[in-house]
Amino acid sequence: AQKITQTQPGMFVQEKEAVTLDCTYDTSDQSYGLFWYKQPSSGEMIFLIYQGSYDEQNATEGRYSLNFQKARKSANLVISASQLGDSAMYFCAMREASFNAGNNRKLIWGLGTSLAVNP
Amino acid sequence: NAGVTQTPKFQVLKTGQSMTLQCAQDMNHEYMSWYRQDPGMGLRLIHYSVGAGITDQGEVPNGYNVSRSTTEDFPLRLLSAAPSQTSVYFCASSYLEDIGDTQYFGPGTRLTVL
Repeated sequence: AQKITQTQPGMFVQEKEAVTLDCTYDTSDQSYGLFWYKQPSSGEMIFLIYQGSYDEQNATEGRYSLNFQKARKSANLVISASQLGDSAMYFCAMREASFNAGNNRKLIWGLGTSLAVNP
Repeated sequence: NAGVTQTPKFQVLKTGQSMTLQCAQDMNHEYMSWYRQDPGMGLRLIHYSVGAGITDQGEVPNGYNVSRSTTEDFPLRLLSAAPSQTSVYFCASSYLEDIGDTQYFGPGTRLTVL
């Protein structure tokens, strides 16, 4: 069963508007971490934001914030004031504590959402 | 501070050829890993290492070898290239302190096997 689900293959947003990219996850671990990465057309993977399962507040990094709803197992990325440079693929990923304990450090990845920002 | 570097950026191989993808990091990270990215399949872990001299298999290790002789370097070897190994390969590294340690990625190597 897929553990990270990104239900939006593609999204469009108007420049300067906010956009929410959905991510739901499945884990039986109590301790886990959720990450969002951006992959522009140039191909590199750029870390955006992190949320720990025990963090009481939603993570924020500049224009990026993470809407973390633990009971619903969702970790949606919110981009405020979209810019043309935000056009990219966005990936949600999870690290579970059970893997962490074994030093696997494996990240479980979603299939990504392609975001296009229109001028 | 170069972060994670990978060479080459592009490579074309013929079936059966061997090659080594290079990865280096200058952040003194204990953990290094190799992923492959294929359309519709996301990123999949090939091999990883938690320190010099220690490596282990990920999800899709067949056809690949790794070694870690230094903290900085983690090369990935394709023993006998196959068309199924056509992919984009990413090297990543992180500290090993807690679950929130961010993995930082190299720029990727786009490999085509004919």
